[in-house]
Order: sequence, then structure tokens, then C-alpha cells
Amino acid sequence: GNSVTQMEGPVTLSEEAFLTINCTYTATGYPSLFWYVQYPGEGLQLLLKATKADDKGSNKGFEATYRKETTSFHLEKGSVQVSDSAVYFCALSDDNFNKFYFGSGTKLNVKP
Amino acid sequence: NAGVMQNPRHLVRRRGQEARLRCSPMKGHSHVYWYRQLPEEGLKFMVYLQKENIIDESGMPKERFSAEFPKEGPSILRIQQVVRGDSAAYFCASSPPSPSGSAYNEQFFGPGTRLTVL
Repeated sequence: GNSVTQMEGPVTLSEEAFLTINCTYTATGYPSLFWYVQYPGEGLQLLLKATKADDKGSNKGFEATYRKETTSFHLEKGSVQVSDSAVYFCALSDDNFNKFYFGSGTKLNVKP
Repeated sequence: NAGVMQNPRHLVRRRGQEARLRCSPMKGHSHVYWYRQLPEEGLKFMVYLQKENIIDESGMPKERFSAEFPKEGPSILRIQQVVRGDSAAYFCASSPPSPSGSAYNEQFFGPGTRLTVL
């Protein structure tokens, strides 16, 4: 079956620190991989995506590379800001893109 | 273009009552998805609907839960005889019809309805 595992939080960093949030997955077929961000009181927003192996998704300084050999899609950012404080969800979709499977979320706190 | 709208944002019910959650998809979107997020957990898929059709309800509990997306009006997630374990955040997402030749269709999420069962 399909599932996503991501590192537990909360993760607390100082501003301008390097961020890594680990995500690994189990899937049948050829899934697409996503990172979503949830700010307090809001719904999820798509942050970036990758639809096939070795693709790199990037947006707003965040990056993640679809690694089929290690079944991973780790999220990275070189220099975090206070405004990046949110909950980050790793997700995969099935071949038909009709069903998403989410990890449990990682809360990121960035301190000035 | 307004985003996905959900109401109410917060809903409190006593055990045994009914809960109705509404979702208005983005303009032009004909696909609706419902997800449930239990405390400290990720979102779990519940059901996928198109106008007047349930496409995939593999994530819906077998009893007390139902969903519809009528030709006119919002999609409704209905929970009958609520229990404390139904307390969660319920998110709706919508997507447009798939472009010809394209498999991927981004889902846009609403702000969620937080249901509390006393």
C-alpha cells in the first residue's frame, strides 16, 4: 500500500539556519510527491512537487528531490526565516492523482 | 477568484447529534475531495466526488458518514449520531477537470472545519 513517513517535530531553528525535513515513502506504481505547508488557522498550500524520479521541485527557496533509490523526498532550505514557521506535510498521490496520502506533519518554529 | 470555501469554520456538537459540513469548490472546479485530520496526525483521504457522483469513497467510515456533491450548491459531508472520536479537522479540496492529455491535477485546499464533539 501507499504511505508516507516524515520526521517528527517540532523542529526549532534560528533565523538563517539550514533546514532539512526528512520524508520517506512506500508506494505501488509511480507516485508523484508533494510538500504542502499549513499556516495557523489555514488550509494546506502546495509548496512544491515532483512527478517522476530525479525531478527536483523548488519554490520560495525550498527544494526537494524525488529519490526513487532511497524512496525519499526530503525538504531543504538554505536559510529559513521567521515567516517559514508552519506545519509541513509530505504527501504522495496515486497514479490517478485522485487520492493523496499525507505524512503526519512536521511543525517548524523559526526564532529571530 | 475566491479559494475553496468551507463552513462553518468551527462546529460544536453533542454526542448523538448530526454534523453537516459544507464545501464550495473554486470556480470552475468540478472535483471535490474530503480529508480528515485527527489531532497530531496527517490528513487521511475520505472521499472523492464529481458533480452528482461519488468516484471513490474508500476512506469513508462504513456507518454514519455520507457525502454528496449536487448539481447545484456546495458539497456536503454529513456525520450522523456523532461520537467523541469524530472530533477532528475536516478539509475539503477541489480541482478542475483534468486537461486533455494531462494526468496531474493540483488539489486546492480550504481552511477546514474543526468539529468538536462534547
